[in-house]
Amino acid sequence: KNEVEQSPQNLTAQEGEFITINCSYSVGISALHWLQQHPGGGIVSLFMLSSGKKKHGRLIATINIQEKHSSLHITASHPRDSAVYICAVRRGGSEKLVFGKGMKLTVNP
Amino acid sequence: NAGVTQTPKFQVLKTGQSMTLQCAQDMNHEYMSWYRQDPGMGLRLIHYSVGAGITDQGEVPNGYNVSRSTTEDFPLRLLLAAPSQTSVYFCASSYSAGLSATEAFFGQGTRLTVV
Repeated sequence: KNEVEQSPQNLTAQEGEFITINCSYSVGISALHWLQQHPGGGIVSLFMLSSGKKKHGRLIATINIQEKHSSLHITASHPRDSAVYICAVRRGGSEKLVFGKGMKLTVNP
Repeated sequence: NAGVTQTPKFQVLKTGQSMTLQCAQDMNHEYMSWYRQDPGMGLRLIHYSVGAGITDQGEVPNGYNVSRSTTEDFPLRLLLAAPSQTSVYFCASSYSAGLSATEAFFGQGTRLTVV
């Protein structure tokens, strides 16, 4: 079983929809990262969080340490949000990141 | 700031050839790492470094060498390329100080094909 599981694996949405991407992990962590990878291939860090909630524009990330679960929400989705969203965790006491397989989001106009 | 600069962007190698993937960052980050990304799998750690002169193996180190002579540079060497090393490679860096570790910054990736 992977230490980091993401669901769903693929998601197609219509422009304007509210989208939720889930990430569950099975190890103790010091931080969780949400990353975005566009079709061109580059990876961009969206959030790093260790507790609570963070917001940036239309993106909101939450984490529940007790339940070992994080969600990434996209409000008023847009075709430019189409990308692969990757969850990664930093194990407690380590600098190493462990990655989920990613979730491919397609937002249609 | 340039962030993390990774070169080349594309490379085709013949089996048995060697090459070096370059990675440089200008953010004075302590922690640098190399990953490979294969279809249907998450990024996997090849090698990492927590500072100049210090390197260690990750999850899939076989067939790769690294060195960290300066804080800025962390090259990845393929000694005898094999078709199994066909992949997309990413270099990443972050300021790491235990609980104060920062977000990770990634290079643009290198798409390597070994024929």
